[in-house]
Amino acid sequence: QKEVEQNSGPLSVPEGAIASLNCTYSDRGSQSFFWYRQYSGKSPELIMSIYSNGDKEDGRFTAQLNKASQYVSLLIRDSQPSDSATYLCAVLEGGATNKLIFGTGTLLAVQP
Amino acid sequence: DVKVTQSSRYLVKRTGEKVFLECVQDMDHENMFWYRQDPGLGLRLIYFSYDVKMKEKGDIPEGYSVSREKKERFSLILESASTNQTSMYLCASSWTSGRQQFFGPGTRLTVL
Repeated sequence: QKEVEQNSGPLSVPEGAIASLNCTYSDRGSQSFFWYRQYSGKSPELIMSIYSNGDKEDGRFTAQLNKASQYVSLLIRDSQPSDSATYLCAVLEGGATNKLIFGTGTLLAVQP
Repeated sequence: DVKVTQSSRYLVKRTGEKVFLECVQDMDHENMFWYRQDPGLGLRLIYFSYDVKMKEKGDIPEGYSVSREKKERFSLILESASTNQTSMYLCASSWTSGRQQFFGPGTRLTVL
C-alpha cells in the first residue's frame, strides 16, 4: 500500500514566523509532488508543485524535495493568520497512472 | 481559469435512496476523479476515469458506481444510500499530460 505520511498537528506558530510542514512518502517511483491548502469547509486548492530535487520558491512559499530520503516539505515565511488551514501533501503515483495519493493533512494555526 | 463545478453543495437523503452527484469541468480534461473526505481519514479515491465511457475503481468503490457519457461530465451514483456514506464528496479533474488535479467545491452529503 503506497502511503503519504504527515503529522496531523495542530502546528501553532506566531504571526510573522516560519511555518515548516513535512511529508514522507513510500512510493520510490513517484516523480511529482504537490501541496494543497484546504480551508475549513472548502475544497483543496493547489499552492505548490515540485518535480525535481531541491527547493522551489513562490512568494512566501518554498517547497523542498529530497527523493533519496522520500521527503517533501513546505515552508511558509512571514506566516499570516490567513494561512491558517489544513495543508495536504499529495504524491503522484509512479507509473502510467494519474492517481494522486494524499496525506491526511497538517492543521496549521497562525496566532496573531 | 479552470472551473470544476458540482451539482449541489449540500444534500440530505434517506437510507436506501438512489443518489446522483454530478461534476462538470470546462477545461477539456481527460481525467476525472471522485473522492470522499472524512475527518482523520483524508481524501480517499472512489473512482476515476481516463476517458469517455472509461472507469477505474479507486481505493473504496464499494457501494458506488460512476458514469462518464461526455468528456466534461462525471457522475457518482450511490445505488442505495447508507448512513456510512455521509461524507464530503469531492470531484477533481486533470489533463493527461499535466499532473496536478483541480477540485470542485465539494458536496456535503448527509444520509439519514
